[in-house]
Amino acid sequence: QVQLQESGPGLVKPSQTLSLTCTVSGDSISSGYYYWSWIRQHPGKGLEWIGYINYLGNTYYYSSLMSRVTISVDTSKNQFSLKLSSMTAADTAIYYCARYHSSGRWFDPWGQGTLVTVSS
Amino acid sequence: QTVVTQEPSLTVSPGGTVTLTCASSTGAVTSDYYPNWFQQKPGQAPRSLIYSTNNKHSWTPARFSGSLLGGRAALTVSGVQPEDEADYYCLLYHGGAHDWVFGGGTKLTVL
Repeated sequence: QVQLQESGPGLVKPSQTLSLTCTVSGDSISSGYYYWSWIRQHPGKGLEWIGYINYLGNTYYYSSLMSRVTISVDTSKNQFSLKLSSMTAADTAIYYCARYHSSGRWFDPWGQGTLVTVSS
Repeated sequence: QTVVTQEPSLTVSPGGTVTLTCASSTGAVTSDYYPNWFQQKPGQAPRSLIYSTNNKHSWTPARFSGSLLGGRAALTVSGVQPEDEADYYCLLYHGGAHDWVFGGGTKLTVL
């Protein structure tokens, strides 16, 4: 059974760059059908897709965040990562990683999420 | 910026039927938007229920179904159970920008 687990700092200072990693177990990140996604949820609010990457390093980013987002993949570690620059309080959120099936067009499973707070 | 709109809240009695809808500011929702529906319970990550308009996962209860209705994506729950009380989010693909955009969510209360 595939599982995803986010890791990274829970607190980031304004203007800094957030770095998060998602470790995939129970499946190879090199599976051809999948893209590996980042999604966030502002506290008490809705969800926002950030972007995804496949094992070849092909990326798609949400147009509203594109200028600040970088997603990368490390197939040797079965991990993928998110970098979000110029963090502000508005980026405080729970960050989830999730698997996206590119043929069926579905997102599952998701990691448990990690809360990132932006504060000095 | 594309906005996807859902009913903020709905209330349904146990055993009843309820339909949640999902509209896009870009126009009528079609199958090309690959509508997805997620259920989220407090303190948990969202879980996929429906994908590509009307496809169910093996774990999706039979009482949940997806469709297109009047230019919107729709999620119908027939024979609502108390455990269906949750937040429900739709997700639409907007191919022009290759963006996936979530709706604001519907809080479903079973009362």
